[in-house]
Amino acid sequence: QKEVEQDPGPLSVPEGAIVSLNCTYSNSAFQYFMWYRQYSRKGPELLMYTYSSGNKEDGRFTAQVDKSSKYISLFIRDSQPSDSATYLCAMSEYQGAQKLVFGQGTRLTINP
Amino acid sequence: GAVVSQHPSWVICKSGTSVKIECRSLDFQATTMFWYRQFPKQSLMLMATSNEGSKATYEQGVEKDKFLINHASLTLSTLTVTSAHPEDSSFYICSATPLRGPAAYNEQFFGPGTRLTVL
Repeated sequence: QKEVEQDPGPLSVPEGAIVSLNCTYSNSAFQYFMWYRQYSRKGPELLMYTYSSGNKEDGRFTAQVDKSSKYISLFIRDSQPSDSATYLCAMSEYQGAQKLVFGQGTRLTINP
Repeated sequence: GAVVSQHPSWVICKSGTSVKIECRSLDFQATTMFWYRQFPKQSLMLMATSNEGSKATYEQGVEKDKFLINHASLTLSTLTVTSAHPEDSSFYICSATPLRGPAAYNEQFFGPGTRLTVL
């Protein structure tokens, strides 16, 4: 079993839709949770960073962490074609961006 | 700010040759640099962590004699794939954590990656 599981998609939705992306994990020691966006042939860029359980909102993006279920989510409201990318969840036991364990990534396409 | 570059962006080499990939933090000094490998449709896998002036720490299963890492300065790390074989073909991505500023020690900034194809 992989430490972090993420549905690779692809996921295709119409512009304006709410997108839900999810990851599950097996290591209960993970405390730091991140979502990255990766455009084709580019390195990942950090979207959201959350510590422990709870919600965090930043503009159209909301990250949720449920440590009891070992489940994290990223919601994108009012999705735009420019949101089309691969979204990777990542998590770590350690503060300070050490030893990140990534999910497989979900390829998302927003259709105009 | 917080830009990381990699060179080359893609490379094709013959089996048995060595390939060097550079990772540079362009506008910040990095306390730590990380090297990842990403196979098609798979997640990024951490290969090694390196700090300037000290030996890299390799993840389990990564051959340190095959993947040589040199962290020469606070802005440059190199990964050399020695005696490359077709199974080493992959997307290699580096990242760097800033030494100073609001993201210091807390965030990894990723380079654009290097696609290696070994024939």
